[in-house]
Amino acid sequence: QVQLVQSGAEVKKPGASVKVSCKASGYTFTSYDINWVRQATGQGLEWMGWMNPNSGNTGYAQKFQGRVTMTRNTSISTAYMELSSLRSEDTAVYYCARGGSYSGYWGQGTLVTVSS
Amino acid sequence: DIQMTQSPSSLSASVGDRVTITCQASQDISNYLNWYQQKPGKAPKLLIYDASNLETGVPSRFSGSGSGTDFTFTISSLQPEDIATYYCQQYDNPMVTFGPGTKVDIK
Repeated sequence: QVQLVQSGAEVKKPGASVKVSCKASGYTFTSYDINWVRQATGQGLEWMGWMNPNSGNTGYAQKFQGRVTMTRNTSISTAYMELSSLRSEDTAVYYCARGGSYSGYWGQGTLVTVSS
Repeated sequence: DIQMTQSPSSLSASVGDRVTITCQASQDISNYLNWYQQKPGKAPKLLIYDASNLETGVPSRFSGSGSGTDFTFTISSLQPEDIATYYCQQYDNPMVTFGPGTKVDIK
């Protein structure tokens, strides 16, 4: 069965970077885009960007341009999302989702807490 | 960027009621509109894709319609397990935008 398993919770200081992983199984990793979506506590879903695991091509929401980097390691079917220059407003649950035009499979979410 | 609006932002209905949520895009998105259900502490779950297609395994009381800029999501008979927040999401290859969500609870 299709599964996306994300790395564990992180606590970071303001100004630091965080790298969240998303390990895919149950399908051909390079056949579907990966989207990253975040959700602050009590807030809505916010799309951050996408990555094509086959080509490595990426596209980022304007809000995150310059601060986010999405990469992958195809040998271990894992996607990564790195967010830099963290601030308190980046405290949120970060999700990966198998993408394309719609996301039928999501990771379990990774809580990133930014606190001094 | 394409903006999405949803209404209402919240609603309260009785078990068995018909519930309707609307979603509007700031420009024509054809039928590239999806609906998700999210329960507290859980990842979103895809219910409807491409405006009107029911995802496999999703109960038939859920439905969607619309094209262009105006879309509707309907629960034909609200059940207690439908308490959740519902989000529309547009896909403008490859950019994605979510609506602000509609919180549904039981009266």
